[in-house]
Amino acid sequence: DGGITQSPKYLFRKEGQNVTLSCEQNLNHDAMYWYRQDPGQGLRLIYYSQIVNDFQKGDIAEGYSVSREKKESFPLTVTSAQKNPTAFYLCASTLGDRDYNEQFFGPGTRLTVL
Amino acid sequence: AQSVTQLDSHVSVSEGTPVLLRCNYSSSYSPSLFWYVQHPNKGLQLLLKYTSAATLVKGINGFEAEFKKSETSFHLTKPSAHMSDAAEYFCVVSDQYSDSWGKFQFGAGTQVVVTP
Repeated sequence: DGGITQSPKYLFRKEGQNVTLSCEQNLNHDAMYWYRQDPGQGLRLIYYSQIVNDFQKGDIAEGYSVSREKKESFPLTVTSAQKNPTAFYLCASTLGDRDYNEQFFGPGTRLTVL
Repeated sequence: AQSVTQLDSHVSVSEGTPVLLRCNYSSSYSPSLFWYVQHPNKGLQLLLKYTSAATLVKGINGFEAEFKKSETSFHLTKPSAHMSDAAEYFCVVSDQYSDSWGKFQFGAGTQVVVTP
């Protein structure tokens, strides 16, 4: 079955540690996205990538980093510079076509800083 | 620039009664509009989308939405609510032909409660 997988489902981090969230898709989509979700705030864009080896900052990129070395994979690293990283993180992808641009979402990773 | 406003943060309905979730958008270009549903601790699932074809869009699970350009609205409706409709709903806009193409703006969400 085609889809997006995120791992782990739950992640606990001590303050000062970097952690990496995994996002993999087998939909052959060109574009991939990372969002952060906090209660009552909807989804906020962290980073997005429309093609391999290229990515752009979203609205809240500070304290996060990404890479896009393969079409299928778009890992997100939450660095120690992110002051309040506890949140639900969602990965999404789209075909990248203007007429077929709905996003498909993964199941999410809940990150908790201890 | 694109933006979206969901006019109700919470909606409570009785099972079997109609559901109306309101969404207004701002877009400089030809917008794509979407409604997604999210159940607790899950990812988002697409309910329906508008991409400049028919203004009345039918989606999954009996939902539909009407694109009204003059009112810049894209309200979501369902004739009869089911208990399984209890979830959070997001209205999303994307400009198809602007510099921000490829980016999506999310509303703050509407939490739907369905009572027996």
